[in-house]
Amino acid sequence: QKEVEQDPGPLSVPEGAIVSLNCTYSNSAFQYFMWYRQYSRKGPELLMYTYSSGNKEDGRFTAQVDKSSKYISLFIRDSQPSDSATYLCAMIHGGSEKLVFGKGTKLTVNP
Amino acid sequence: DARVTQTPRHKVTEMGQEVTMRCQPILGHNTVFWYRQTMMQGLELLAYFRNRAPLDDSGMPKDRFSAEMPDATLATLKIQPSEPRDSAVYFCASGIDRGRTEAFFGQGTRLTVV
Repeated sequence: QKEVEQDPGPLSVPEGAIVSLNCTYSNSAFQYFMWYRQYSRKGPELLMYTYSSGNKEDGRFTAQVDKSSKYISLFIRDSQPSDSATYLCAMIHGGSEKLVFGKGTKLTVNP
Repeated sequence: DARVTQTPRHKVTEMGQEVTMRCQPILGHNTVFWYRQTMMQGLELLAYFRNRAPLDDSGMPKDRFSAEMPDATLATLKIQPSEPRDSAVYFCASGIDRGRTEAFFGQGTRLTVV
């Protein structure tokens, strides 16, 4: 079993839809949780970062962490065609710099 | 505009040849990562450095891969000899160690070994 599992999709939604992206993990030592966005033929860019269980909101994006279930989510409200990209979850053990990534979910938002 | 710079952006080489990829981390960042991305495996950590010292290269095939930081502004990843299975996109990322490091990625080097 991989440490981080992420459904690769692809996921296709109409513009304006609410998008839900999810990852599960097996190692309870993960303490820091991130979401990266990767456009085609580009490097991943950090989108959101959370530490504790609960929600963190930034504009149209909300990151949610449930440590008891080992489950993290990224919600995108009012999705736009410019949100079309691959979204990767990533996690770090406490006291480590080793980012462990999910495989990414490819999202397409159709105008 | 602070960013991680990787060269070359694309490389096509024949099996058995040496390949060198270079990375200039963001000025002031003390942690550098090398990742490899493939469709099958996703992003895999190959090695990382803090303050130019290698901390972990357990993800790297030791017989053919080597990573170094000759100085704070340059990180290199070498493959010798290269094999077709090394074809992938190689990313360098840098960050500042604050107990946990947010990694900022370069644009990647797309390597094709034929």
